Amino acid sequence: NAGVTQTPKFRVLKTGQSMTLLCAQDMNHEYMYWYRQDPGMGLRLIHYSVGEGTTAKGEVPDGYNVSRLKKQNFLLGLESAAPSQTSVYFCASSERYEQYFGPGTRLTVT
Amino acid sequence: AQTVTQSQPEMSVQEAETVTLSCTYDTSENNYYLFWYKQPPSRQMILVIRQEAYKQQNATENRFSVNFQKAAKSFSLKISDSQLGDTAMYFCAFMNRGPIQGAQKLVFGQGTRLTINP
Repeated sequence: NAGVTQTPKFRVLKTGQSMTLLCAQDMNHEYMYWYRQDPGMGLRLIHYSVGEGTTAKGEVPDGYNVSRLKKQNFLLGLESAAPSQTSVYFCASSERYEQYFGPGTRLTVT
Repeated sequence: AQTVTQSQPEMSVQEAETVTLSCTYDTSENNYYLFWYKQPPSRQMILVIRQEAYKQQNATENRFSVNFQKAAKSFSLKISDSQLGDTAMYFCAFMNRGPIQGAQKLVFGQGTRLTINP
């Protein structure tokens, strides 16, 4: 039982490049979330999903897209990376009120 | 929209001392959850304690306890007999207790960096 895993753990991109972050959970949770964490700030919600095939915008969705084609996976995409997207990205899943977090992905955009 | 404020960016205490971290929140909702998360240098987010707003009794988990003041919208975390392993960022978070079929979105405070000194 791995819980919530994220791939990759680190990544460096050049401005304008694209990439996809993968989140996988093996707890059969309905709800999944993507957050970003910037220095001096708490986690902020980017997008979330209430089930397979559904996604919704969170607090800071601009510049990101998501997809939930399978219940266990939640993908976060950056189509054209910008330096402002340098951050640590966390995925989480939940069935009710307790969210289980992945280990995070540190993304640097130069 | 809900907001969560942690007014102490950093705190430092000696091992075995008791420390209290402050958190205030703003909401017009009556039914909600409050959480404290710990983030050690490993970056992993770890749930420390949870409080349900409809419960008057303060939650406790071993050395961790909260002081929940609903009218004042205050939710502080007390760590007793602090240990070196308690060194971490601590985040206060709010969650609306919405419909079961809805996603349960967390709103986080800015965090308090706690250092336990030997």
